[in-house]
Amino acid sequence: QQQVKQSPQSLIVQKGGISIINCAYENTAFDYFPWYQQFPGKGPALLIAIRPDVSEKKEGRFTISFNKSAKQFSLHIMDSQPGDSATYFCAARRGQDYKLSFGAGTTVTVRA
Amino acid sequence: ETGVTQTPRHLVMGMTNKKSLKCEQHLGHNAMYWYKQSAKKPLELMFVYNFKEQTENNSVPSRFSPECPNSSHLFLHLHTLQPEDSALYLCASSQDSRAGPYEQYFGPGTRLTVT
Repeated sequence: QQQVKQSPQSLIVQKGGISIINCAYENTAFDYFPWYQQFPGKGPALLIAIRPDVSEKKEGRFTISFNKSAKQFSLHIMDSQPGDSATYFCAARRGQDYKLSFGAGTTVTVRA
Repeated sequence: ETGVTQTPRHLVMGMTNKKSLKCEQHLGHNAMYWYKQSAKKPLELMFVYNFKEQTENNSVPSRFSPECPNSSHLFLHLHTLQPEDSALYLCASSQDSRAGPYEQYFGPGTRLTVT
C-alpha cells in the first residue's frame, strides 16, 4: 500500500515558469514532510522540509505548502531554471520510528 | 572521500552469480540503510542497521543478505537474483535511526542489471 501519493509523474516547464508537484497522505502518524531532489547518477538529497504545524515554508525559489486538514502538501519551484531539471520525491516520516515513506517521484524538465 | 560512497556504480550479473555491493559513509554516523529504487516507484526500504545491529528487515527475499561489520561500512550480498531485482540500490546513513529525527544522507547508488 503506497502511503504517499505523488503527482504528476512528470512535467515540463519553460524557463522562468512555476513547477508544482503535489503529494497526499493518509497516515496521521506522519509528523515531518521532506522533499528530496535527485539528479541523474546521484542519490536523493534533502531539498526542503516542513512540519505539520506550519502551513508554508520558503527557501529561495522553493516553497512547500501544507494543508493538514486535507492531508496534502506541495512543492512549488518559482522562476524554474534548467539546473532545476531533476526528479523530485516527497516523503513523510512517522514520529514513533522515524521511518520515511516516499512518493513515486516527479521528473521535472525545464526548457530554456 | 566525503559523504556516502558506493561501489560498484554499475553491475551486470547473471541469475546464478554471487556479487556484493559496498557502501561506506564518512560522516561519523551510526545508522546505515539499504533502499531499492525502481523506475516510477517509491523508494523501498530494505534494511536498517543501527550501531551495527540490524533493526529492520522489510520482508526482503533471502537472496539479498546484508552485512554491517562496523558503523562506517555496509554490504549487500547478492545471489541467485531474478530479473525483477534489476534496479538502483541506494545506501544511506544518518546519525541514529532510533533516537532522533536525524536526516538521511544518500550515496549515488549502484545500478544493478540482472540478465
